[in-house]
Amino acid sequence: DVKVTQSSRYLVKRTGEKVFLECVQDMDHENMFWYRQDPGLGLRLIYFSYDVKMKEKGDIPEGYSVSREKKERFSLILESASTNQTSMYLCASTLGGGAYNEQFFGPGTRLTVL
Amino acid sequence: AQSVAQPEDQVNVAEGNPLTVKCTYSVSGNPYLFWYVQYPNRGLQFLLKYITGDNLVKGSYGFEAEFNKSQTSFHLKKPSALVSDSALYFCAVSPRGSNYKLTFGKGTLLTVNP
Repeated sequence: DVKVTQSSRYLVKRTGEKVFLECVQDMDHENMFWYRQDPGLGLRLIYFSYDVKMKEKGDIPEGYSVSREKKERFSLILESASTNQTSMYLCASTLGGGAYNEQFFGPGTRLTVL
Repeated sequence: AQSVAQPEDQVNVAEGNPLTVKCTYSVSGNPYLFWYVQYPNRGLQFLLKYITGDNLVKGSYGFEAEFNKSQTSFHLKKPSALVSDSALYFCAVSPRGSNYKLTFGKGTLLTVNP
């Protein structure tokens, strides 16, 4: 079974802090994604990566950056956390080859910015 | 740009009754369509997908969905609901030939009453 793990289930940070969210997958998937989930808004794509060191902006990239130095690891960085970034963050991965492949999700990180 | 509508924020059914969770979509060309489920405090899990072929797709836990091209719908169904089916359900769409980007609906909270 594919396993996608996220470094923290719950995280509390202060406004202005730099925040790192880590995601690791163990199935050699080419593509990795970061979403945020907010009530009534569903999932919104922040960034995705289709290869090591390659990234593309999603729908809401402002205030975020990403890093993919190794195939199995995809990091989401909040350069200066703000209260409106309080949310559930979900990482996902999928095989390459086409958009018909289902995504596998991690358990999520609930981030609170005070 | 693609979009997904889940017209019902909440659906309540009695255990043993059939359930339907509705989804309509808008996309250029032929789509790939997905249903995901999220149990409390968990990440999303893949349920089923439509790629091509038979319009009726069967998935995990006894769920099925019917692709209707003329109505641009992909409703999720189950003949007999279980209390354990209570969860948040997301429909998602991706156009063929896309860069793996999924667009999710806002989610429908299904509650199955004993």
